[in-house]
Amino acid sequence: DVKVTQSSRYLVKRTGEKVFLECVQDMDHENMFWYRQDPGLGLRLIYFSYDVKMKEKGDIPEGYSVSREKKERFSLILESASTNQTSMYLCASSPSTRPRGANVLTFGAGSRLTVL
Amino acid sequence: GQSLEQPSEVTAVEGAIVQINCTYQTSGFYGLSWYQQHDGGAPTFLSYNALDGLEETGRFSSFLSRSDSYGYLLLQELQMKDSASYFCATASGGSYIPTFGRGTSLIVHP
Repeated sequence: DVKVTQSSRYLVKRTGEKVFLECVQDMDHENMFWYRQDPGLGLRLIYFSYDVKMKEKGDIPEGYSVSREKKERFSLILESASTNQTSMYLCASSPSTRPRGANVLTFGAGSRLTVL
Repeated sequence: GQSLEQPSEVTAVEGAIVQINCTYQTSGFYGLSWYQQHDGGAPTFLSYNALDGLEETGRFSSFLSRSDSYGYLLLQELQMKDSASYFCATASGGSYIPTFGRGTSLIVHP
């Protein structure tokens, strides 16, 4: 069964800490995404990557950075966590085939981050 | 930019049929997708429409009208397990990056 695996299901961090959220996919997908999900706001794109070492800002990149050193791994980094970054973080991947592939995302289970 | 509008909540009874609408404003439209998300779970892909018309997959169907910038998800023979949030999404423009609507919470009553 194909999968997107997020390393941590629940995290509790303190303000100012550096936070790493890891995501690994085993589908050989080119595209990978980090979304943030908050009640009433839907899924908002933080960053995406369409190839190794390539990254593009999404709609809400402020306070976040990403790393993609290998095709299967896409990491989200909060350099200095703040309370307004308390949220559910969802990683997803998709193949590069267009247009259907780009419209079919496979999501990880999510990482719920609480910043105190 | 792109935007998708869908109702925040829909309620229905078990066994009934329900339709969740989605209107969109986008440039370079390439199709509309639907995802289901149960509480505490990850969104899962349901369907994708690139062309006008109805696509059927079991109890779920999805419809698209590109001229009206409108689509809907139709759920038939509702079951309690269909209670979930449903998101429409479109990957448009040259970058093919999906943008999601805010989601519709479907509540199925016995």
